[in-house]
Amino acid sequence: DADVTQTPRNRITKTGKRIMLECSQTKGHDRMYWYRQDPGLGLQLIYYSFDVKDINKGEISDGYSVSRQAQAKFSLSLESAIPNQTALYFCATSDLGQGGNQPQHFGDGTRLSIL
Amino acid sequence: AQKVTQAQTEISVVEKEDVTLDCVYETRDTTYYLFWYKQPPSGELVFLIRRNSFDEQNEISGRYSWNFQKSTSSFNFTITASQVVDSAVYFCALGSRANAGKSTFGDGTTLTVKP
Repeated sequence: DADVTQTPRNRITKTGKRIMLECSQTKGHDRMYWYRQDPGLGLQLIYYSFDVKDINKGEISDGYSVSRQAQAKFSLSLESAIPNQTALYFCATSDLGQGGNQPQHFGDGTRLSIL
Repeated sequence: AQKVTQAQTEISVVEKEDVTLDCVYETRDTTYYLFWYKQPPSGELVFLIRRNSFDEQNEISGRYSWNFQKSTSSFNFTITASQVVDSAVYFCALGSRANAGKSTFGDGTTLTVKP
């Protein structure tokens, strides 16, 4: 089984719908992240969480919300989806470490299309 | 603020050629960490290597090698005798305490290795 699991892997939905992307991990890491990747572009950080009681906005949090239900689970919601949120979404985890020294471990991604 | 620049958007080589992917970074932290990740056509992101700012030793792993030079703020990645399976998007990333332990990613370089 994958260490970082994202569900669903693919989703097509309509404008205005509420969508939840889920991420679970078995790595025992405290830190979890949600990124968005648009074609030909790098990774943009949406939200991150350094422990269950810690949620922080990233570069592009508008239109998104998150929930850290447990150490192992971190969900991303689009409250009212719009077409320009069509993208590939990644969940990632990292160990606690010090000063950003830990690599991130990514899920396989969720390809989201909003019509 | 932190920044990672991967100036080469796309590179195309023929199998068995050597290829170098450039990464230039900016940070005011004196202690920081540099990473390379690979994203093959299947889409997942895989961690390749981490380098500490206080260790400028180059590293070699099989056909892969990394050249870290603080004087030029660069952390370049060379693939020797490239193979078709090396075709992927490669991301350079920077982590530091100043960025609250998060990583800043470059926009990626798409490498295509032709048979």
